[in-house]
Amino acid sequence: GESVGLHLPTLSVQEGDNSIINCAYSNSASDYFIWYKQESGKGPQFIIDIRSNMDKRQGQRVTVLLNKTVKHLSLQIAATQPGDSAVYFCAEKDGHQGAQKLVFGQGTRLTINP
Amino acid sequence: KAGVTQTPRYLIKTRGQQVTLSCSPISGHRSVSWYQQTPGQGLQFLFEYFSETQRNKGNFPGRFSGRQFSNSRSEMNVSTLELGDSALYLCASSLLARANEQFFGPGTRLTVL
Repeated sequence: GESVGLHLPTLSVQEGDNSIINCAYSNSASDYFIWYKQESGKGPQFIIDIRSNMDKRQGQRVTVLLNKTVKHLSLQIAATQPGDSAVYFCAEKDGHQGAQKLVFGQGTRLTINP
Repeated sequence: KAGVTQTPRYLIKTRGQQVTLSCSPISGHRSVSWYQQTPGQGLQFLFEYFSETQRNKGNFPGRFSGRQFSNSRSEMNVSTLELGDSALYLCASSLLARANEQFFGPGTRLTVL
């Protein structure tokens, strides 16, 4: 399940530092924005979601920020650990007509330096 | 609880052939979605099934089809394979009430020669 991206943006951080992964979205009609993590050899794994009428949501060690004015989404990971190394995808879900379709961004590869 | 399983994990076909991929969702999950993942296009939605009905379809040609059985297991079929169909095909299942939290299988790596 590797997500090899020839042109994948990368982010390299020191272990213990905070990471911020950014994403621009396009569909103003999306009712939810979601972050997924994909480790090498595995399928994507849900991290956290945020409804379009919110601007911040916190989880365990993660915070998602939504700025609808500039159509920008970010994922903050506190105290980054080696296990956080993965490709991170933002996704939009259009809730109209019961749609369950997720539209994924290209992904960002996060590398943790010891 | 067992995760989403996909079979086969790896597949090699030649142009013009057809292929069927299988997905078993997490027990209790009735929504199953399929995605294609390639280095160039990333993760792209193929289709979504619920209660044996296709509810959503992505922007793929008619060579890509799928179905869902009464036990929620799903299959996708690609006919007349092209080189560009080489990709990782991912299946995901979810509860209807938690559609954002899709549980992905490990994928089937399809190589078309």
